[in-house]
Amino acid sequence: GNSVTQMEGPVTLSEEAFLTINCTYTATGYPSLFWYVQYPGEGLQLLLKATKADDKGSNKGFEATYRKETTSFHLEKGSVQVSDSAVYFCALRTPNDYKLSFGAGTTVTVRA
Amino acid sequence: DAGVTQSPTHLIKTRGQQVTLRCSPKSGHDTVSWYQQALGQGPQFIFQYYEEEERQRGNFPDRFSGHQFPNYSSELNVNALLLGDSALYLCASSLGLGGITEAFFGQGTRLTVV
Repeated sequence: GNSVTQMEGPVTLSEEAFLTINCTYTATGYPSLFWYVQYPGEGLQLLLKATKADDKGSNKGFEATYRKETTSFHLEKGSVQVSDSAVYFCALRTPNDYKLSFGAGTTVTVRA
Repeated sequence: DAGVTQSPTHLIKTRGQQVTLRCSPKSGHDTVSWYQQALGQGPQFIFQYYEEEERQRGNFPDRFSGHQFPNYSSELNVNALLLGDSALYLCASSLGLGGITEAFFGQGTRLTVV
């Protein structure tokens, strides 16, 4: 079956630091990959996605590249802000599968 | 655009009771999926509804059931509540069977079973 493993948190950073959250996956078929973000008290929001190998998703300064050879989709941001404090979820969906499969989430706290 | 709306936002129930959660999809969306998010974990897929039928189901017991109405809104019903059913229940809407377009999530219903 499909599964997503992401680095455990919590992660605490200072403002303007570099952020990376590792995500690896196991999937039957050729998945689409996603990063979702959950701010305190809110639902999930799609942050970025990639649908094929070597695609780079990007949004709000965050980037992730679909690496088929290493089955990875690591999230990076060069300079984080306090407003980036949230829980980040890596997820995948395989063709002909209706569900999203999520990792356990990584809590990121950015301190001023 | 109201986005995905869920009600109620919080709910406390007693073990053994039944609960109904509601979801209105984003305007223009016709597919609704439900997820359970236990504390400190990622969301787990419960089922997806399209054209008023359950199209796919995750590993949840029959105590979890749902319904989709002609206006695309949806309900999640849980019978014989267990303490372990305490979680955040998320509704996601999208367009088309399988939800191949981007899924938009509501803020969730926080269910506490005591």
